[in-house]
Formats: sequence, structure tokens, C-alpha cells
Amino acid sequence: GAVVSQHPSRVICKSGTSVKIECRSLDFQATTMFWYRQFPKKSLMLMATSNEGSKATYEQGVEKDKFLINHASLTLSTLTVTSAHPEDSSFYICSARGGSAGYTFGSGTRLTVV
Amino acid sequence: QKEVEQNSGPLSVPEGAIASLNCTYSDRGSQSFFWYRQYSGKSPELIMSIYSNGDKEDGRFTAQLNKASQYVSLLIRDSQPSDSATYLCAVTGRTGTASKLTFGTGTRLQVTL
Repeated sequence: GAVVSQHPSRVICKSGTSVKIECRSLDFQATTMFWYRQFPKKSLMLMATSNEGSKATYEQGVEKDKFLINHASLTLSTLTVTSAHPEDSSFYICSARGGSAGYTFGSGTRLTVV
Repeated sequence: QKEVEQNSGPLSVPEGAIASLNCTYSDRGSQSFFWYRQYSGKSPELIMSIYSNGDKEDGRFTAQLNKASQYVSLLIRDSQPSDSATYLCAVTGRTGTASKLTFGTGTRLQVTL
């Protein structure tokens, strides 16, 4: 079945630094990538949607200059959290969609900003 | 009104019993409906998808959809301790927003021995 590889699985960074999270579709072409954030005991909140080769569409309240999304190829999308602060600590999950593949989720990235 | 609503639980059922999980949604034009299972600290995994009114069965799982009532449910028969997890209902919107998945807050299921 369709697989999305997400890295890193865990990252700890200092406040003010940037962190990049990668999602790769291994056996299908991801025409659309969704990025979610999940706080403890809360549901997944969609941050942005990106189509390959286009600018991402951000959900209301999500700062596009803080959460940079790149979807330059059909198999790779990245989320960069810039100038991270402790309140950005969360579980970030990507979900790819393409072709006959449904919504395939990455394994998630636990970000801790100290 | 939340777009997708679920009872947060926890829902506690004994091993071997039927667990019934419910979800309502606000957008009458919603087209596709999904149930995901999420273990703590892990990514959601797809349990069932359903697109038309009625029941859909897959092993111990049955999804039920009633578009008139804007209601979707998941039944888990012969519940096992390994079924203990949070179950997320997700819905895609009408055309234009059709591909965007909106999640409910999830219902935590506890299967007791």
C-alpha cells in the first residue's frame, strides 16, 4: 500500500531556531499534501494544503511566514517552523493524496522547543 | 457549531462486547466519511471509509452512514484490549473543499478485561 515517510520522528530545538520536517511519498505521486498539528488530547487541526508546484493554502489563523511549506516535487514536501517558540511544541503530521491512493499519513514528528 | 462532533469519552466496554462510536457533521454537502484509529503518540491509521448511505462491514468493524441525519457511526464487534485507542471521525466537504479532511475531536475507547 501507499507509504509516506516522515522525518524526523522527534526533534528538540532551542527557542528562536528553525526546524524542517520532511515528508516523502515512497510509492506514489503526492499531488496534494496536507499538514496537521495536534496538541495533547486534541484532534488534528489542518494547518495548510499544498499542491505540487503551487503555493500552499493556509488555514485561518496559521502564520504562513512562520510555517513555511514547500512542495516542489510530487514525492517530497517540507514544513519549516521558523523562529520556533515553546508554544510551537506539538505533534506535526503530514498526509499525502495522489492518484488512487487515499489519504496516507506520515508517522508524525514530535517537536519540543526549549 | 463544530463541523464534526464526537463524544470525547472515555467509552468503556468489556472485552468481547460491541463498542458503538458516533459522529455528527454540520456540512450537509459532505461527501466522504472516514474512521481513523490513533494510539497515543502515533499517527492516525485508517479503519473504514464510507461514501453512501447504509452499512459497510469489514471484519469486526461496521460503519453506518445516514446523510439525512448527518450522522456516521462505527461499530466494533468482539472488542479486544488492543482496540483501546482514540477513534477519529473525519469528513470531506462539498466540491471545492472536497479534498480537505476535517477531523472530530475523537472518542477514547477503553476495552477492559
